[in-house]
Amino acid sequence: DTGVSQDPRHKITKRGQNVTFRCDPISEHNRLYWYRQTLGQGPEFLTYFQNEAQLEKSRLLSDRFSAERPKGSFSTLEIQRTEQGDSAMYLCASSLAWGMSTDTQYFGPGTRLTVL
Amino acid sequence: AQSVTQLDSHVSVSEGTPVLLRCNYSSSYSPSLFWYVQHPNKGLQLLLKYTSAATLVKGINGFEAEFKKSETSFHLTKPSAHMSDAAEYFCVVGNQAGTALIFGKGTTLSVSS
Repeated sequence: DTGVSQDPRHKITKRGQNVTFRCDPISEHNRLYWYRQTLGQGPEFLTYFQNEAQLEKSRLLSDRFSAERPKGSFSTLEIQRTEQGDSAMYLCASSLAWGMSTDTQYFGPGTRLTVL
Repeated sequence: AQSVTQLDSHVSVSEGTPVLLRCNYSSSYSPSLFWYVQHPNKGLQLLLKYTSAATLVKGINGFEAEFKKSETSFHLTKPSAHMSDAAEYFCVVGNQAGTALIFGKGTTLSVSS
């Protein structure tokens, strides 16, 4: 079990540029989640996938954000036309979940985005 | 809507003394509750999880939490603090669908020698 991994760990970009982050979940996990954490706050839910299907999106996920999980394994989160307000830690988590039980989510180390 | 409130933004204790981190929750259904810990430059780690099996939940590293429905509380305790316990602690409630986690704002625990 290698845990959840995220790449890159840090990203510095200029306002208006596009960025893409990758998350590799624990191999047998069927659910994958994205959260955003700003300084001094707890993580906030953005979206989640059950296998390759994106089943829920938060209102925080503006039109500039898009997430994919094409083969039900790794996932990417893209932010287009970045703004300074997008600066945050982007966290990925995965779980092995069935039905409506709240299963344990295992988190990756995060990608810290800084928009200049 | 469900939510959690962490009553202290910062708690300071001396090594070897008890730890109490307070959390109140709000939920219209029987909630799943969690405590996660976040050490600097490390990912979130699950300390313990409540899912209605037992009101007193034991977690890793000597932590435990008690679910009190009448008080809508889920406080985290540890009998004796270690220096390595210094970190950010989050009280978390699962949403009704069992998908998203809803985090509190966090409590920073400082441990002095």
